[in-house]
Amino acid sequence: AQSVTQPDIHITVSEGASLELRCNYSYGATPYLFWYVQSPGQGLQLLLKYFSGDTLVQGIKGFEAEFKRSQSSFNLRKPSVHWSDAAEYFCAVVFSSNTGKLIFGQGTTLQVKP
Amino acid sequence: DGGITQSPKYLFRKEGQNVTLSCEQNLNHDAMYWYRQDPGQGLRLIYYSQIVNDFQKGDIAEGYSVSREKKESFPLTVTSAQKNPTAFYLCASSKRTSGGETQYFGPGTRLLVL
Repeated sequence: AQSVTQPDIHITVSEGASLELRCNYSYGATPYLFWYVQSPGQGLQLLLKYFSGDTLVQGIKGFEAEFKRSQSSFNLRKPSVHWSDAAEYFCAVVFSSNTGKLIFGQGTTLQVKP
Repeated sequence: DGGITQSPKYLFRKEGQNVTLSCEQNLNHDAMYWYRQDPGQGLRLIYYSQIVNDFQKGDIAEGYSVSREKKESFPLTVTSAQKNPTAFYLCASSKRTSGGETQYFGPGTRLLVL
């Protein structure tokens, strides 16, 4: 079955420290890959996406992600975390371009320590 | 401003009552989606529509109904058959391009049962 896994349910980092959120997906072909961020009680905001080309993609708010086909991974990174980055982060994948259906991971909650 | 609006922000349902959640977009997007979000379960697809007057069931369609009479609107009805409707409901829309398809989300509606 097609699935997306975010192994870390909750992560705590200190402000100014680097961050990496992990995302792995099932399936053989190259899918479309996304990271979204959600603040409490709000909708989802798109951080970045990968369709094809350069496997290192830049997004908003200083985030980047790297697609590694051999590992079926699309990890999100930020070199220096700010307190305002505290939120829930979702990795999502479109496995079938015919339907455009997004399959979401369960999310990773990021807490930032002062 | 272009965007996706959802109303109301909070909705209360009584036992045996049908309620309708509104989703409107002025982005000229072809496809629209409804997701349900429960704590610790990520987002799950309820229904989606790729074109006016057509829609398909998602992964958890039981107890829900939709219509797509206009390109801009995709209302979701939570029927009395949905026994556990308390959740956060998110609407999304997307436009297919040659590069891929990106979903953008509304602010959400929280449904509570009285």
